[in-house]
Amino acid sequence: ETGVTQTPRHLVMGMTNKKSLKCEQHLGHNAMYWYKQSAKKPLELMFVYSLEERVENNSVPSRFSPECPNSSHLFLHLHTLQPEDSALYLCASSQEATSGANVLTFGAGSRLTVL
Amino acid sequence: KNQVEQSPQSLIILEGKNCTLQCNYTVSPFSNLRWYKQDTGRGPVSLTIMTFSENTKSNGRYTATLDADTKQSSLHITASQLSDSASYICVVSPGFTGGGNKLTFGTGTQLKVEL
Repeated sequence: ETGVTQTPRHLVMGMTNKKSLKCEQHLGHNAMYWYKQSAKKPLELMFVYSLEERVENNSVPSRFSPECPNSSHLFLHLHTLQPEDSALYLCASSQEATSGANVLTFGAGSRLTVL
Repeated sequence: KNQVEQSPQSLIILEGKNCTLQCNYTVSPFSNLRWYKQDTGRGPVSLTIMTFSENTKSNGRYTATLDADTKQSSLHITASQLSDSASYICVVSPGFTGGGNKLTFGTGTQLKVEL
């Protein structure tokens, strides 16, 4: 494992379900991120948290709701999703959010399928 | 608009052969460029990070080059192994304060190494 753990690894949900993705980092990093990865498209930044405070919300629909209770844990709450939301959701962490020199450490991802 | 373009989109080579992946970017101002390797079903893992002043950097059988004047980078893989089969993603970080979460990702080159 890379130090960033994501659960569940696979999730299938209907459009009316409510589910959550969980991310935990054991690296002592101060910044955590949610990215969406769809086939043949670049990674899309969804949310950034720095020291538990949201610093970026990249025009993400409200059916995605992030939560960062502490600097080691990050959640992505999902409700009334659409089939086009099916993708790999990657959590990442870095030492801090503002420096371009920081290297992101990614989790293995949660593969989401919306029926 | 900041963009990162990678070529080829996919590549199949025989084990033991060398290959070169290309990355062209339009991000400005520029801070650094990273290459990530993403195995199937896993999150991306950093291979190299190159700053403006660096031309070449090696990590084992991986050698990255950077030409900041032409805004091009390449990743050369020597003596390929089956375990090199993965997607290789080029990521560029902008050179301004607070740009750490403004990364621009390429769509990746899917490499398959065969016997």
